[in-house]
Amino acid sequence: EAQVTQNPRYLITVTGKKLTVTCSQNMNHEYMSWYRQDPGLGLRQIYYSMNVEVTDKGDVPEGYKVSRKEKRNFPLILESPSPNQTSLYFCASSGDGANYGYTFGSGTRLTVV
Amino acid sequence: AQKVTQAQTEISVVEKEDVTLDCVYETRDTTYYLFWYKQPPSGELVFLIRRNSFDEQNEISGRYSWNFQKSTSSFNFTITASQVVDSAVYFCALSEAMSISNFGNEKLTFGTGTRLTIIP
Repeated sequence: EAQVTQNPRYLITVTGKKLTVTCSQNMNHEYMSWYRQDPGLGLRQIYYSMNVEVTDKGDVPEGYKVSRKEKRNFPLILESPSPNQTSLYFCASSGDGANYGYTFGSGTRLTVV
Repeated sequence: AQKVTQAQTEISVVEKEDVTLDCVYETRDTTYYLFWYKQPPSGELVFLIRRNSFDEQNEISGRYSWNFQKSTSSFNFTITASQVVDSAVYFCALSEAMSISNFGNEKLTFGTGTRLTIIP
């Protein structure tokens, strides 16, 4: 089954404790992206990647890092989480050409206390 | 800059009624894509439809239909004979494709969503 897998689904952590949210896709997509969803703001892009070792900032990149060492994986790293990063996070990958369109992971609900 | 406006924050209708969710977008590009996603209470994002800027044909899929009008920059979504399972948050989104061969390079810009509640 074609899918984007995010882990963990839920996470509660303390301010300053580094964490990584993993994202993996099995569709051989070149393009992957991270979004955060906040009430009243919709989803906003954090980072995106057009291919292995090619990443770039989205609209709200502050406080986040990403890496793309393999095509299938695109982890989101919060090196020093703060309460304002409490949010619902989605990873997505996109095909191209006739398959253009994003497939989203199930989401990670992060709470930073 | 691209922008998507979903002016309806919340809508409630009685089951079996028809309901239309509005979406208005702004873009300077002539090539772009429009999407609708459904977010049920479980939280995942479910893809509903993709429409490119060159195709203004309306689309119907079962009880769902979409009306794309470039003249008014709108891409509205109608649910006919609504059901309780349609209760969800619905997002409209826009992607600006830089070129035909560059699909997927551009971010999705989302509206703020419309929370639809179907009352049994």
